[in-house]
Amino acid sequence: QVQLVQSGAEVKKPGASVKVSCKAFGYTFTSYYMHWVRQAPGQGLEWMGIIDPSGGSTSYAQKLQGRVTMTRDTSTSTVYMELSSLRSEDTAVYYCARDRAFDIWGQGTMVTVSS
Amino acid sequence: QSVLTQPPSASGTPGQRVTISCSGSSSNIGSNAVNWYQQLPGTAPKLLIYSNTQRPSGVPDRFSGSKSGTSASLAISGLQSEDEADYYCASWDDSLNGVVFGGGTKLTVL
Repeated sequence: QVQLVQSGAEVKKPGASVKVSCKAFGYTFTSYYMHWVRQAPGQGLEWMGIIDPSGGSTSYAQKLQGRVTMTRDTSTSTVYMELSSLRSEDTAVYYCARDRAFDIWGQGTMVTVSS
Repeated sequence: QSVLTQPPSASGTPGQRVTISCSGSSSNIGSNAVNWYQQLPGTAPKLLIYSNTQRPSGVPDRFSGSKSGTSASLAISGLQSEDEADYYCASWDDSLNGVVFGGGTKLTVL
């Protein structure tokens, strides 16, 4: 069964970093790009960036350049999204989503930034 | 302020046909495909329409998409109570070099 399983909820203090994982099941991991999307409480969807699991190349949203890093581990079919210098505005549910059409989504990971 | 513009709300009664619009520009909808997502409360979004008009397997044919110029629309016919959800459009933007979303439309089934 094709699915994406994300790591659990996180609570972080302002200025800290968070690393969220997304493990792929049921398909060839290196054949599909992976995106990260976030959704602040009560708000809409925001694209964060994309990673090519095959070669590892990335492209990030301008707004997050310098704070976000996406990596992958082909041995475990897992992609990671790390966000640094966290602020309260980064409080959101973070999703991984597969391929250009976002045809498969992870279940979401709640990240709360609070002092 | 979202790059793609959607009405914040829409409503209809069971059995009715409802359309949700999504307006963009030449750098996104005008030159790239549009996808639509349905998000039920407390759940991850689900792909509803891809490449402007295509339905993934399992999506009822009550849902249809269209695109003309720099705008796109999602139509839901035979409205059902379980269609009550938030709907988002998305497209690649060549100027921003990234995916842009609409602000979302909350559909209420009266």
